[in-house]
Amino acid sequence: DQQVKQNSPSLSVQEGRISILNCDYTNSMFDYFLWYKKYPAEGPTFLISISSIKDKNEDGRFTVFLNKSAKHLSLHIVPSQPGDSAVYFCAATVPSGTYKYIFGTGTRLKVLA
Amino acid sequence: NAGVTQTPKFRILKIGQSMTLQCAQDMNHNYMYWYRQDPGMGLKLIYYSVGAGITDKGEVPNGYNVSRSTTEDFPLRLELAAPSQTSVYFCASSPPGQGYGNTIYFGEGSWLTVV
Repeated sequence: DQQVKQNSPSLSVQEGRISILNCDYTNSMFDYFLWYKKYPAEGPTFLISISSIKDKNEDGRFTVFLNKSAKHLSLHIVPSQPGDSAVYFCAATVPSGTYKYIFGTGTRLKVLA
Repeated sequence: NAGVTQTPKFRILKIGQSMTLQCAQDMNHNYMYWYRQDPGMGLKLIYYSVGAGITDKGEVPNGYNVSRSTTEDFPLRLELAAPSQTSVYFCASSPPGQGYGNTIYFGEGSWLTVV
């Protein structure tokens, strides 16, 4: 039972254009969501997060949107840069609960120069 | 600035052998986690701990054991290794009680092959 789903295993985008990575979740108890970035042979690193009381959070080139009614979140990267090429994982948790972080399957982003 | 440290980084194990993956964090985090990453399967939670002496199962605990005798260390034990345990293992930690704004910090990973 995959509670957090990333249905696109890969995405290619031209440098300078927008990258949109999507994530869906099934557990309505999740109320805090995170995006992680992972380069080959390294551990995932935190990118940006959003709580369920918001529908948007921005940090520089990265914006996360949350649609609670659709149980859907997306990560927008504008403009995309070759250094953004990595695997992106979304994760969800219940901060007031057990602090388990459940991750999606990841989307491999390739930004073409 | 060590963060989360995992050892070994690479290991080849024969079927039926046992081993322990070590994990240590120096950030005084109460919460620690073990994940495994299989190709196309994302990160699956194996075990987690909310503090010394307290551990709990995650999504895929079978074939593994953990212990948490100190805040800093969270070793993962593989008993009777099987080819299905070939994976990349990530240890992680997070501070407690911050709720929104909290995040989880990962080690660099341990590549395990069972042959």
